[in-house]
Amino acid sequence: LAKTTQPISMDSYEGQEVNITCSHNNIATNDYITWYQQFPSQGPRFIIQGYKTKVTNEVASLFIPADRKSSTLSLPRVSLSDTAVYYCLVGEGNTGKLIFGQGTTLQVKP
Amino acid sequence: GAVVSQHPSRVICKSGTSVKIECRSLDFQATTMFWYRQFPKQSLMLMATSNEGSKATYEQGVEKDKFLINHASLTLSTLTVTSAHPEDSSFYICSAGFRPPRGTDTQYFGPGTRLTVL
Repeated sequence: LAKTTQPISMDSYEGQEVNITCSHNNIATNDYITWYQQFPSQGPRFIIQGYKTKVTNEVASLFIPADRKSSTLSLPRVSLSDTAVYYCLVGEGNTGKLIFGQGTTLQVKP
Repeated sequence: GAVVSQHPSRVICKSGTSVKIECRSLDFQATTMFWYRQFPKQSLMLMATSNEGSKATYEQGVEKDKFLINHASLTLSTLTVTSAHPEDSSFYICSAGFRPPRGTDTQYFGPGTRLTVL
């Protein structure tokens, strides 16, 4: 069962780039890394997913080193509305189960 | 695409009654559906994995007779909280696994259902 470790909280200011790093030392060969964003009283929202190297979409980038034991979510130019909890998850092989850790609470200040 | 809905969004019930929560994948057929619950200021806790046409697989410590899961089709899963008690009050969230033409299964989450048991 691959577990993840993230910082409990981070602060940033509007317009800055935010990088959240996640450790997953026991990631399995067929596991993907997925990041979600959650606002209070809402379901998690898919942000980005990757297997190795770098993935970029319209909202974020995901950097994964060759050993895949960690990953970094990069949010360019954050705004106040990016204040949320961010979860890094590693898919449990073929079952697809996701075990949530505590996540990182990002507070964006004006 | 990959939209998941839940109904109801919020429910208040009396202790001892049963409550059914529906989870639907609106624009795709889900390979698998999952049920989570989340207490205030805490992370999501996986309760069970649901596959169409078969019995749900419950996580350790989750009472299957208390939380009945039915997965009638590739787009619908229901969670019934039987004989609800105040300690069952929580935020229940479902997710559905979507497999794009290229790539791996990705879970998309519903908006959640707030259950309050009086």
